[in-house]
Amino acid sequence: DAEITQSPRHKITETGRQVTLACHQTWNHNNMFWYRQDLGHGLRLIHYSYGVHDTNKGEVSDGYSVSRSNTEDLPLTLESAASSQTSVYFCASRAGGNGEQFFGPGTRLTVL
Amino acid sequence: DQQVKQNSPSLSVQEGRISILNCDYTNSMFDYFLWYKKYPAEGPTFLISISSIKDKNEDGRFTVFLNKSAKHLSLHIVPSQPGDSAVYFCAALNNAGNMLTFGGGTRLMVKP
Repeated sequence: DAEITQSPRHKITETGRQVTLACHQTWNHNNMFWYRQDLGHGLRLIHYSYGVHDTNKGEVSDGYSVSRSNTEDLPLTLESAASSQTSVYFCASRAGGNGEQFFGPGTRLTVL
Repeated sequence: DQQVKQNSPSLSVQEGRISILNCDYTNSMFDYFLWYKKYPAEGPTFLISISSIKDKNEDGRFTVFLNKSAKHLSLHIVPSQPGDSAVYFCAALNNAGNMLTFGGGTRLMVKP
């Protein structure tokens, strides 16, 4: 069955370190998204991509970057982790058309 | 400023009764709305959606109502079951059809 996976599921790192969170989908979806979930804020869009070599900034993109070298993967990089980036991160993908996005299981990141 | 708001962070309902979850939005350019359900340690999953050209959409125990003039939508669950206990997110799609804006979520607890 097609799916979307994220790794690692849990990560603890220190302030200032570079961290990369992986996202892999096997639906062959063109559209991929990264969100962070914080209490009271719901899910906020960090970056998104409509296809290979395409990347776009979302609502809360500062301190994050993404790259899209193939259809299946959209890794999220925190260049220099900050305590404010402690959160749960969700990757999602969508074929196109209206709305419905399929979400991965999430990565809980703690920055000490 | 949040464009999609869920003003009730939590809701407790007795099994068998109706659960009503509310969502308000401010951007009149939103033209498609979705509800997602999220269990702990899992990613959100799509539940039901509604286009702005409709005022009601029903799927089994779940019905979404849209009042465009009031910029308000609601999700009704009848009858509520303990397995419905989860966090519910309202989301709105922009008219370009490429970005979802999420509300802060409502935690529903259905008591046996």
